[in-house]
Amino acid sequence: AQSVAQPEDQVNVAEGNPLTVKCTYSVSGNPYLFWYVQYPNRGLQFLLKYITGDNLVKGSYGFEAEFNKSQTSFHLKKPSALVSDSALYFCAVRLPYTGGFKTIFGAGTRLFVKA
Amino acid sequence: EAGVAQSPRYKIIEKRQSVAFWCNPISGHATLYWYQQILGQGPKLLIQFQNNGVVDDSQLPKDRFSAERLKGVDSTLKIQPAKLEDSAVYLCAIPSGTGVTYEQYFGPGTRLTVT
Repeated sequence: AQSVAQPEDQVNVAEGNPLTVKCTYSVSGNPYLFWYVQYPNRGLQFLLKYITGDNLVKGSYGFEAEFNKSQTSFHLKKPSALVSDSALYFCAVRLPYTGGFKTIFGAGTRLFVKA
Repeated sequence: EAGVAQSPRYKIIEKRQSVAFWCNPISGHATLYWYQQILGQGPKLLIQFQNNGVVDDSQLPKDRFSAERLKGVDSTLKIQPAKLEDSAVYLCAIPSGTGVTYEQYFGPGTRLTVT
């Protein structure tokens, strides 16, 4: 079955330290991969995406993600975490189905950045 | 959140009652999605519209859920009758552009609590 996994329910980091939020996927073909962030009482916001080309993609708020085809991973990273980065992060994959394309989301990882 | 308005923001009802949610994309777009996000889970697609027509409603509990999109713009999602397990945030989304590689813009969501 095609799926997206976020193995960590929660990630805790200290402000100023690097952060990584993990995502692995299981899909056939070449995936389109996305990261979204959800702040309290707000809808999901797009952070970045991998479509093709350079494996390292850069997005909003200083975030970046690395596509690794051999490990079927798309981990989200930031060199220096901010308290304001504390939020819920979702990895998603866009894949084809009979009617067109659909997006499957991971279960989410809650990031806590401590001052 | 830019580009997608939803109402109401919060709703509390008793089980077996009916409820309706509204989605108003500020800029018209052919494609519109409704997602259900249960606490602790990622968003799950309920229904996808292309203009007024339904593209995918495979995960919509059709015995109680219904949705429509009038004139290819606004959309409503209805639950009748509601069950306790319907407690969730209901998100409306539109693509940022045409084509499969585009990310989605999400509305702020309607938080439904069924007691």
